[in-house]
Amino acid sequence: DQQVKQNSPSLSVQEGRISILNCDYTNSMFDYFLWYKKYPAEGPTFLISISSIKDKNEDGRFTVFLNKSAKHLSLHIVPSQPGDSAVYFCAAVARGSTLGRLYFGRGTQLTVWP
Amino acid sequence: EAGVAQSPRYKIIEKRQSVAFWCNPISGHATLYWYQQILGQGPKLLIQFQNNGVVDDSQLPKDRFSAERLKGVDSTLKIQPAKLEDSAVYLCASSLASGYEQYFGPGTRLTVT
Repeated sequence: DQQVKQNSPSLSVQEGRISILNCDYTNSMFDYFLWYKKYPAEGPTFLISISSIKDKNEDGRFTVFLNKSAKHLSLHIVPSQPGDSAVYFCAAVARGSTLGRLYFGRGTQLTVWP
Repeated sequence: EAGVAQSPRYKIIEKRQSVAFWCNPISGHATLYWYQQILGQGPKLLIQFQNNGVVDDSQLPKDRFSAERLKGVDSTLKIQPAKLEDSAVYLCASSLASGYEQYFGPGTRLTVT
């Protein structure tokens, strides 16, 4: 049962343009959402997060938007750079639960070309 | 600040053999996680420790997988006997507390032939 879904396995964007990565979730108990970036042969690294009490969080070139009614979040990267090429994982957690387990999507491979 | 350390980085074994992975979390992180990541999928939690106690092992195949975290610091994950479908990257992560940002190690790529 995939509670976090990333329906686009890949995205290709030209350098300098905006990259938009999408994520949907099904569990209404999720109240905290995270994006991780993963380079080959490395572990995922934390990128940005958002609490369910907000609808937007910004950190430099990275902005995450949350639409709770649609159970949808997106990561915007502006401007995109070749070094952003990586697999991006969306993750969600129900902080109110005692377990605090992260549920991950399958990931989206972003390629930024010059 | 040192990150999460894992060893070995790569391991190739034959089916029915046993294997063990080691993890050293970030200093001061009470919560430690082991994930399995199969090619093309996101990481899936196998087991979560809070200090040296197990918080969640509901997705751990306990007939062949075991894990321990002695003294609430380092942890080992063992598979015995291994199956072909265990081929995956095994990731260790740690966090200050449950439900917050987790920091991952580089992973161990296991190939079972």
